[in-house]
Amino acid sequence: TQLLEQSPQFLSIQEGENLTVYCNSSSVFSSLQWYRQEPGEGPVLLVTVVTGGEVKKLKRLTFQFGDARKDSSLHITAAQPGDTGLYLCAGPGHNQAGTALIFGKGTTLSVSS
Amino acid sequence: GAVVSQHPSRVICKSGTSVKIECRSLDFQATTMFWYRQFPKQSLMLMATSNEGSKATYEQGVEKDKFLINHASLTLSTLTVTSAHPEDSSFYICSAIRSAGYNTDTQYFGPGTRLTVL
Repeated sequence: TQLLEQSPQFLSIQEGENLTVYCNSSSVFSSLQWYRQEPGEGPVLLVTVVTGGEVKKLKRLTFQFGDARKDSSLHITAAQPGDTGLYLCAGPGHNQAGTALIFGKGTTLSVSS
Repeated sequence: GAVVSQHPSRVICKSGTSVKIECRSLDFQATTMFWYRQFPKQSLMLMATSNEGSKATYEQGVEKDKFLINHASLTLSTLTVTSAHPEDSSFYICSAIRSAGYNTDTQYFGPGTRLTVL
């Protein structure tokens, strides 16, 4: 069974701090995606990483895909209150239909000013 | 582009009634749509995969007779929660994949429907 483990589960920091959240698996994934979800809304795709060792930057967010394609990290520099939300990693899953995503349990980030 | 809408955004119903949730791709055709359920402070759990014109494929543990899915057109899938009970209260989210010719790895998510069963 493919599983994506995210850590930490909860993170509460002050504006301006840096943070890293992790997404780990014992399985190899062809790609991993990161989403941010705000309360009462659907997840919004931030990035897709597909190549082992790949690093992608999105303003203050840096995403890395592990060399073995089993893990990924999201680093946020100088966090702002607007970064508050649930961060989910997801990868292609072996569901019944063979096409859906499996999600980690997420990291709930709270940034206070 | 690639906008997915859900209706209603919130619904409150009495135990024993049925509730229909619509998922629409507004500016693209979606061969495949997915239905997820998310309980408070938990991640998204896939319930079923819906393909236009064919029967939905349900994940293990999801009752197909309770969660009826219809994907009658390339832009609309519906999820009907039949004989709803309080334990069915959850946040239901759909997603859609564009039809052939596009990157089928990208799913576009709807804004979700909050169901509360009293």
